[in-house]
Amino acid sequence: GQQVMQIPQYQHVQEGEDFTTYCNSSTTLSNIQWYKQRPGGHPVFLIQLVKSGEVKKQKRLTFQFGEAKKNSSLHITATQTTDVGTYFCAGPFNAGNNRKLIWGLGTSLAVNP
Amino acid sequence: KAGVTQTPRYLIKTRGQQVTLSCSPISGHRSVSWYQQTPGQGLQFLFEYFSETQRNKGNFPGRFSGRQFSNSRSEMNVSTLELGDSALYLCASSLTGLATNTGELFFGEGSRLTVL
Repeated sequence: GQQVMQIPQYQHVQEGEDFTTYCNSSTTLSNIQWYKQRPGGHPVFLIQLVKSGEVKKQKRLTFQFGEAKKNSSLHITATQTTDVGTYFCAGPFNAGNNRKLIWGLGTSLAVNP
Repeated sequence: KAGVTQTPRYLIKTRGQQVTLSCSPISGHRSVSWYQQTPGQGLQFLFEYFSETQRNKGNFPGRFSGRQFSNSRSEMNVSTLELGDSALYLCASSLTGLATNTGELFFGEGSRLTVL
């Protein structure tokens, strides 16, 4: 069925180290979105990627969308304690006239100061 | 501009009861979608409403239903509650929703439901 796999499930880093989370879809996506959820909080939109091979940067965060539009990654350079949280990717899947947003299970990032 | 407001924030119910959750989207947003979040299953899409019509639907049983009013406020109802329905229920509003590639979602704080 339609699914979005996200790895790793957990990542524990020292402050200043880099971090990457990967997202793989079972089918080609029209777009992919990334969200961050702080502990006890709600998901907050980070970015949307639409084009094949797209790369977008937000300060220390770099987002990539694969050429086949089936995978994506989020890379954080020199993590800080403010980066702590769970990072989710989500993509729309069409089944006839019905469109569902399928989410990865998320990567929980812990940062040691 | 006010964000997405969900009420109630916390509630406890017993098996067999029913519950109604409310979501007020950002002013001007016509799309409201609902999600169930649990530790084991992550975020799962329930349904999306746009201009009072259910436009898209996830894979949940008919016990889960919703509606949207003319002011875009939305309600979600779960009938005959089961223990497994314990979860954080999130609603999200967006300008255009899932139909387009510009559907950035703005989430509310969620309603945490515990079923005993």
